[in-house]
Amino acid sequence: DSGVTQTPKHLITATGQRVTLRCSPRSGDLSVYWYQQSLDQGLQFLIQYYNGEERAKGNILERFSAQQFPDLHSELNLSSLELGDSALYFCASSHRGRGDYGYTFGSGTRLTVV
Amino acid sequence: QQQVKQSPQSLIVQKGGIPIINCAYENTAFDYFPWYQQFPGKGPALLIAIRPDVSEKKEGRFTISFNKSAKQFSLHIMDSQPGDSATYFCAASSPDSWGKLQFGAGTQVVVTP
Repeated sequence: DSGVTQTPKHLITATGQRVTLRCSPRSGDLSVYWYQQSLDQGLQFLIQYYNGEERAKGNILERFSAQQFPDLHSELNLSSLELGDSALYFCASSHRGRGDYGYTFGSGTRLTVV
Repeated sequence: QQQVKQSPQSLIVQKGGIPIINCAYENTAFDYFPWYQQFPGKGPALLIAIRPDVSEKKEGRFTISFNKSAKQFSLHIMDSQPGDSATYFCAASSPDSWGKLQFGAGTQVVVTP
């Protein structure tokens, strides 16, 4: 157990639907990072929050949004889902705003859009 | 655009062999280079990391070699074991990136008994 908790582990939904992925960072970590992992794109950075504020944004689609709550857990919202959104979504956390002491990843949420 | 290029895509070695994975980068602002190990169904786990002021770092059977002038770094797995079979990712970040890691495409390593 890495200490980063992601729920749900698996999610199957239809095109056009909306889902919410949840992440609880490791105790004491202030930064949360979201990554998408698909077979043909590898690990793609989506967005980072530090202590409730958005700090960095990557290739995140406009249909996707995220937030970090006062208790530091984070949610990634995916809407108007398309088949191509099927992927593993990972959350990672680190103590500081920088990841140069190493991220800790959760086990991921496998999203399947049918 | 892949900012960190990783090769090979996959490799198979016999137990005891030394798989070598190579990564190259262009952004000279990168100052932190970690390697992650991922088993099927699990999230990536930090294996070892290096900074550009060091040419080599060893942790157990894992060694990173770093060539700053060539903008390349590599992972060597000494005395590889079947339990090392996994996907390995190199990554890089810069001081101004708020910790955002740029990952290589990954290398699937299979160590046969």
